[in-house]
Order: sequence, then C-alpha cells, then structure tokens
Amino acid sequence: GAVVSQHPSRVICKSGTSVKIECRSLDFQATTMFWYRQFPKQSLMLMATSNEGSKATYEQGVEKDKFLINHASLTLSTLTVTSAHPEDSSFYICSARDWGGRSYNEQFFGPGTRLTVL
Amino acid sequence: DAKTTQPNSMESNEEEPVHLPCNHSTISGTDYIHWYRQLPSQGPEYVIHGLTSNVNNRMASLAIAEDRKSSTLILHRATLRDAAVYYCILRDVNPGGYQKVTFGIGTKLQVIP
Repeated sequence: GAVVSQHPSRVICKSGTSVKIECRSLDFQATTMFWYRQFPKQSLMLMATSNEGSKATYEQGVEKDKFLINHASLTLSTLTVTSAHPEDSSFYICSARDWGGRSYNEQFFGPGTRLTVL
Repeated sequence: DAKTTQPNSMESNEEEPVHLPCNHSTISGTDYIHWYRQLPSQGPEYVIHGLTSNVNNRMASLAIAEDRKSSTLILHRATLRDAAVYYCILRDVNPGGYQKVTFGIGTKLQVIP
C-alpha cells in the first residue's frame, strides 16, 4: 500500500513557539491531504483539507491563523502550529488521498506526530 | 453524512475469532463500508472495504447484511497485535469526487492472552 510519512514523530516545545509538522506521500502523488487532531482517549477530529496549490479548507471551530497549512507540492503538506500553548498538545495525524486516476480513491494515514507544549 | 454505530469496547481471547459489529441504518446506495483500525500511538490503517458483497483479504473479512444496514468485521484468529480501536466508516464514492474520512468513536478491542 501507499506510504505516508510524518516528521517529526515527537516534538516538545515551549509555550509561545511555533512548530512545523511535515507530511509526505512517499510513493504516490497526493492532490489532497487531510490533517487530523486526536486528544487522549478521543477519536480523530478532522481539522482541515488541503489541495495542492490552493488554500486549505478548515473545519468549523479550527482557527486558520493558528494552524497554518501549506500544500506546495503533490507530495508534501505542512502544518504549522503558531504560538503553541499547552492546550494544543495533541496527536496530529495527516492523511493523503491517492488519486491515481481511479474513480475510487483511498486515503492513507501517516504515523502521527505527538506534540507536547510545556 | 450517514452515521455508524459501534459498541464502545469488546474483548476477545487470543487465537479466537472476533466479530466486530457496525450498524448503519441510514446508509445510501452509493456508500461504501470501510473499516480502519488504529493501534496505540499510531495513525489509522486501512483494513477492508465493501459495497454489497462480502469481502476477504489477508487482514480480515467483511460480512455485509443483505439490506446493507449493518456489517461485521471478522478477524479470524485474534492476536495481541490486533488490539486496537476499530472504526467503521461510510464513504460515498462518486466518480471524480471524494469524501473525507470522518471518524466516530470506534470499538476498542482488547485481546486477552
């Protein structure tokens, strides 16, 4: 199956700093990538959908100025958590859609990034 | 979006079959039934999907009710590595379109040695 990687896998930062998380599709082109957030013992919550070369679409309640998403190429999307605070500590997971020219397209998930804000 | 209902948790003994149920009474004709699972501290991984007919792959089997209002994920021999949260998700797949994967609570499967 298709592989999606995330970097870093873990990050600890001080309150007020910005953190960038990278999501890469390693063996396929991803026209669309998704960013999820998961708090302990909760399900994944979709934050935003990004299409290559255009602005991301954010879910209701997600601050676009706080969670900056850039999808500059068909294999890379980045999520920047700006001015991070302890309440932003969470497990961030990206997903990439393998278009592949097929009518049915699968969504593959990265391994996640654990963000801890002190 | 059509919703699914799953039990919050289930237990199984190691090396025994596990049947994970999912109800989706409002499923539409173009909804595919997907199953993903999430191991602790990892991203979700695809397990299986189907539309109307039962499906088998190396990981599991998917049994779909004739009226499609429910389905069952079958793990034929549970191992400790199968302990995870299993999500049953409906996706409407139209040619040229897509639908984001939206997760519910899922079923936490505990495998007892």
